[in-house]
Amino acid sequence: NAGVTQTPKFQVLKTGQSMTLQCAQDMNHNSMYWYRQDPGMGLRLIYYSASEGTTDKGEVPNGYNVSRLNKREFSLRLESAAPSQTSVYFCASTQPDSSYEQYFGPGTRLTVT
Amino acid sequence: GEDVEQSLFLSVREGDSSVINCTYTDSSSTYLYWYKQEPGAGLQLLTYIFSNMDMKQDQRLTVLLNKKDKHLSLRIADTQTGDSAIYFCAENSGGSNYKLTFGKGTLLTVNP
Repeated sequence: NAGVTQTPKFQVLKTGQSMTLQCAQDMNHNSMYWYRQDPGMGLRLIYYSASEGTTDKGEVPNGYNVSRLNKREFSLRLESAAPSQTSVYFCASTQPDSSYEQYFGPGTRLTVT
Repeated sequence: GEDVEQSLFLSVREGDSSVINCTYTDSSSTYLYWYKQEPGAGLQLLTYIFSNMDMKQDQRLTVLLNKKDKHLSLRIADTQTGDSAIYFCAENSGGSNYKLTFGKGTLLTVNP
């Protein structure tokens, strides 16, 4: 099992460009999450999908959209990138009938100039 | 709202024990977790404890939970240079969205 995979690993965008971060999990988990990690801020939840077909805002959703494409895949889209979105983005998944621990992908390092 | 607090830095000598502390505010927390993040990597689950337990031991790791004071600690025995990383405390307060609330992380530096 690959666990949680994310693409791309690195990306540089110019202000105003758009891009989609991809996430997939092969653990048959129901719930998936997108976080951003900034120095001194810990992890902040952007959006989550408690189950296939549902998505909800987290703590910092502004400037982002998500799509739960199917049970495996959960993508994060930046429509018009801003320098404030320079960050490391992590995708995670969990199976709700367990102890709810989340499994993380390796991250996407995004720089917006 | 939920809040999880950790000290930001801890420095120890190789071979000593490390103790990383965490406090949380949500009294309905059901599970509490410790994650490890090495440089340039994602978060790796180290261990977790259910809220009706007060201690859990797993090889060199000991988790202590004081539910009355809402205090969680992670003790690493015989700390090695490979333990240098950021350690995150997180809590789950249940509910149908299964969200975790993370602390800001403690950077553990192990000096030879």
